Amino acid sequence: GESVGLHLPTLSVQEGDNSIINCAYSNSASDYFIWYKQESGKGPQFIIDIRSNMDKRQGQRVTVLLNKTVKHLSLQIAATQPGDSAVYFCAENMDPGNAGNMLTFGGGTRLMVKP
Amino acid sequence: DAGITQSPRHKVTETGTPVTLRCHQTENHRYMYWYRQDPGHGLRLIHYSYGVKDTDKGEVSDGYSVSRSKTEDFLLTLESATSSQTSVYFCATGPHRAEAFFGQGTRLTVV
Repeated sequence: GESVGLHLPTLSVQEGDNSIINCAYSNSASDYFIWYKQESGKGPQFIIDIRSNMDKRQGQRVTVLLNKTVKHLSLQIAATQPGDSAVYFCAENMDPGNAGNMLTFGGGTRLMVKP
Repeated sequence: DAGITQSPRHKVTETGTPVTLRCHQTENHRYMYWYRQDPGHGLRLIHYSYGVKDTDKGEVSDGYSVSRSKTEDFLLTLESATSSQTSVYFCATGPHRAEAFFGQGTRLTVV
């Protein structure tokens, strides 16, 4: 399948534990952020998004936290399961005034879940 | 995958040959994008489209051209493939600005 990257930061967690994946973004003007999950051989899959007027947003087993002061985004996965093993990317919309999409992606973090 | 089909899924081509990758969507999304994914660089935007015949350059557009003659299809063309264009290419679509749903990817090898 398509490879994502060979030298990604890796987070290893025990099944059932909570996972926290962090992302530092670069543009203080970014107004929209997305977390993606990419499994081996597949394209990135949308997980959850958050707009800059929010600090926190919750989904099913996932929570995204946004700290605009330090330009930091985190993804929390509750009760991590083996199926959560993947590479996780954050993306920011760096050009909110542009009619098109200028999503810029972070380098990704590999999450490995130990049974 | 939001009804996105990329073709071909794998291709090996020789340096200097033209290559066209196709992205087909069934979601009637306005926006379509081509990204490339490389180790150490993550996902980088090549070109995008915000409507039929409306396209613009992304971060790494040199050596690539695109066309969108109808809503469903977005073509990426490498006029003369080079080894540096060996990569995994992803098409994405979205109904709104800054929202992107990805296809399965095309692995292109230029030898």
